[in-house]
Amino acid sequence: GAVVSQHPSWVICKSGTSVKIECRSLDFQATTMFWYRQFPKQSLMLMATSNEGSKATYEQGVEKDKFLINHASLTLSTLTVTSAHPEDSSFYICSAREPGGPYNEQFFGPGTRLTVL
Amino acid sequence: KQEVTQIPAALSVPEGENLVLNCSFTDSAIYNLQWFRQDPGKGLTSLLLIQSSQREQTSGRLNASLDKSSGRSTLYIAASQPGDSATYLCAVNDYKLSFGAGTTVTVRA
Repeated sequence: GAVVSQHPSWVICKSGTSVKIECRSLDFQATTMFWYRQFPKQSLMLMATSNEGSKATYEQGVEKDKFLINHASLTLSTLTVTSAHPEDSSFYICSAREPGGPYNEQFFGPGTRLTVL
Repeated sequence: KQEVTQIPAALSVPEGENLVLNCSFTDSAIYNLQWFRQDPGKGLTSLLLIQSSQREQTSGRLNASLDKSSGRSTLYIAASQPGDSATYLCAVNDYKLSFGAGTTVTVRA
């Protein structure tokens, strides 16, 4: 299967700082990438869908000014958590979908664990 | 809005038993359904993907069935091993992926 990487795999930051997480599709071009959030012992919740070259579509209840998503190229999407607070601590996972249509498989990155002190 | 339910929430079996994990969804207008494995503190490992036109998919000891009309999928794991201990998630794709809460499996040696 296709490979998706995330960087960093974990990050600890102080409250009020901003953190950027990168998601890369390594061996295919991804016109659509997705960002998910997972709280401990809970399932994944879709935060936003990003299409290359256009603005991200955020799910209801997700603050677009807090979670900035950029999909500047076909292989890279970034999630920036701005002015992070302890309640933003979570496991963030991205996925990338091969071009061709919504029926194509999404390939997931290994996740980034964010801890805000 | 798509709702995905997984039953049971947790399962503990002795080694060698077959595992049956259930997933139900409310909207049958889906493209495909995917089963994942997640180990504690780790990301997702894709196990099987079933397109909406398919009835089942098999990979090694894993077999997943899909009954789109009734909104159900079942993951069978044959001859379970302690290494199968993990949380299993199903996800339904109706343009976006909607995940169930998962079934946490413990296989006792």
